[in-house]
Amino acid sequence: AQTVTQSQPEMSVQEAETVTLSCTYDTSESDYYLFWYKQPPSRQMILVIRQEAYKQQNATENRFSVNFQKAAKSFSLKISDSQLGDAAMYFCAYRSADSTSGTYKYIFGTGTRLKVLA
Amino acid sequence: DAGVIQSPRHEVTEMGQEVTLRCKPISGHDYLFWYRQTMMRGLELLIYFNNNVPIDDSGMPEDRFSAKMPNASFSTLKIQPSEPRDSAVYFCASSGGGVWRAGEAFFGQGTRLTVV
Repeated sequence: AQTVTQSQPEMSVQEAETVTLSCTYDTSESDYYLFWYKQPPSRQMILVIRQEAYKQQNATENRFSVNFQKAAKSFSLKISDSQLGDAAMYFCAYRSADSTSGTYKYIFGTGTRLKVLA
Repeated sequence: DAGVIQSPRHEVTEMGQEVTLRCKPISGHDYLFWYRQTMMRGLELLIYFNNNVPIDDSGMPEDRFSAKMPNASFSTLKIQPSEPRDSAVYFCASSGGGVWRAGEAFFGQGTRLTVV
């Protein structure tokens, strides 16, 4: 079974600095998708960035970028120029792409709470 | 589209009572997921449906939990009887499949359940 592990329950970063959130996963599949979601205090889940496993190039969305290491099964999120609005819970997610059964399971890690210090 | 709609937003019930949580997915999405969020375990996948059919319910904690999806626009998660340890935020999410399998999961606002 697939698992997603976030080993950092909480992280802090100074405003305008850079922070990296860690995520590792375990799977026997070769085709899958990885995501980072942000959950602010409002509870709303917001997609931050996604990565297709077949792509070697790391995804980037403005100040957010990932370091995808497929062999190591690692998928970290880097936030540059941190802003107060980045303070939230961040979840790493894995979506399987079982082309045999055609079913796609979505599982999440336990989350990392990011604090941004002014 | 209004997004994924969950009801109620908050539910307080007494131990032993039946609780029903409701979800309306985004029109056209053929995947629906139910999650439970707690501080200790994060977002746990309870069950998910594809085209209204339950695919994997291995995350359902015990027989007190059941979920149904009678049609493409409605799903319920029922807890009977409820216990204090069921207190959590329950999320429903929907997503496309097939060529859209790389797409994000869209979440509802969640239902905060408190069992006293």
